[in-house]
This record gives sequence, C-alpha cells and structure tokens, in this order.
Amino acid sequence: SQQGEEDPQALSIQEGENATMNCSYKTSINNLQWYRQNSGRGLVHLILIRSNEREKHSGRLRVTLDTSKKSSSLLITASRAADTASYFCAKTHAGGTSYGKLTFGQGTILTVHP
Amino acid sequence: DGGITQSPKYLFRKEGQNVTLSCEQNLNHDAMYWYRQDPGQGLRLIYYSQIVNDFQKGDIAEGYSVSREKKESFPLTVTSAQKNPTAFYLCASSSRDRGRPFQPQHFGDGTRLSIL
Repeated sequence: SQQGEEDPQALSIQEGENATMNCSYKTSINNLQWYRQNSGRGLVHLILIRSNEREKHSGRLRVTLDTSKKSSSLLITASRAADTASYFCAKTHAGGTSYGKLTFGQGTILTVHP
Repeated sequence: DGGITQSPKYLFRKEGQNVTLSCEQNLNHDAMYWYRQDPGQGLRLIYYSQIVNDFQKGDIAEGYSVSREKKESFPLTVTSAQKNPTAFYLCASSSRDRGRPFQPQHFGDGTRLSIL
C-alpha cells in the first residue's frame, strides 16, 4: 500500500514552541503535499514538495523530503494557538497523471496551548 | 469568491435508502474527487473524475455511485449497498494544467452522514 505513516499521532505544545511532524511512505512518489484540517472542516493545502526537491519554505512552515529514507517532515516554527488542527501528508504516486490521485496518511493532531 | 460548496452539511439516511451528496465548484477545475473520512483517520478515495462524462473508481467505490454531467458538479450517491455509510464525506477539485503538473486539491467543508 502507498499509505504512509505519520508520527506522532498527536502532539501537544505551548505557544511559541516549534512543532515537527513526520511522514513516511513505502513506494516511489512524484510529489508529497501537506494539508491542514480544522475540526469539522475541509482540508487546506499548505505546501507541495516535488521528488527532486529537498526542502521548501512557506512562511513559518518548512518541509523537507528525503527520498532515500522515503520520509518527509513538516516543521511549524513559533507555533500559535490558531495552528491547532490535524495535519496530513498526501502522496502522488510515481507515474500518476498530473491531476492524479493522492494517498493520505492518518494525520497528526496538533494542539497548541496559549 | 471561488470555491467548492458541499450540501447538505448534515444528512441522515434510513435503512435501505439511497442518498445523494452535492458538490459544486466554480474554480473551473477539470478534476474532481470524493473522499471518505472516518473518525481519527485519513482520507480514502471513493471516486474521481478527470473530465466531464468520465470517472474512475477509487479505493473504496463499492456501495457508491457518481455522475459528472457538468464540469461544475460531481454528486455522490450513497446507495443502500453501502452497509457502513456513517462518515464525513469530502469533495475536492484540482486544475489540470500540463505545464504545472500535480496541482494541489481544493476541498469543500464536507457532509456528515449518519444512519437513523
């Protein structure tokens, strides 16, 4: 199965601390995307990293990809209470079409305490 | 504002009943998707459509049906054959731009389906 594992399943931190979430996968990917989901809402796209990229930044977000270890990490720096949400990684299969299917991980529930 | 609208927000199904979940987008996206999310779980793909009048089964299509008669609309029917339909259903869309492959998906705010 392409479905990767995310860890930790839950993360609880204080405002101002950094939060790191990890995602692993089993077979080759074309790209990996991170999404955020607030409780009871749809997902919001955060960042996309392609298989030939190693690191990307967007505001307080930093994503790394290590294809040799088949893993990615999402770092949120200087976290805020408003960052409280579930975070999912999603993979596009190698050889997939440009509008192709995503395979989602189980997600990490992040709680940021004020 | 451009976006994806799912309706209703909450839906209840009686035994043996088919119900239809609506998904409409005004983003001019070619591709549309339906996912199912169970509590504490990730998303699983039910059906997807890359173009009008065409759709493909995802990983858990049994007990579901779709149609794609218009670019803007991709309704999902949960049939009586789906024995465990209680879940959060999410619709998404993405552009189909060959100059920039693997476009992110845009999601609606979901429909929560429960059994009466």
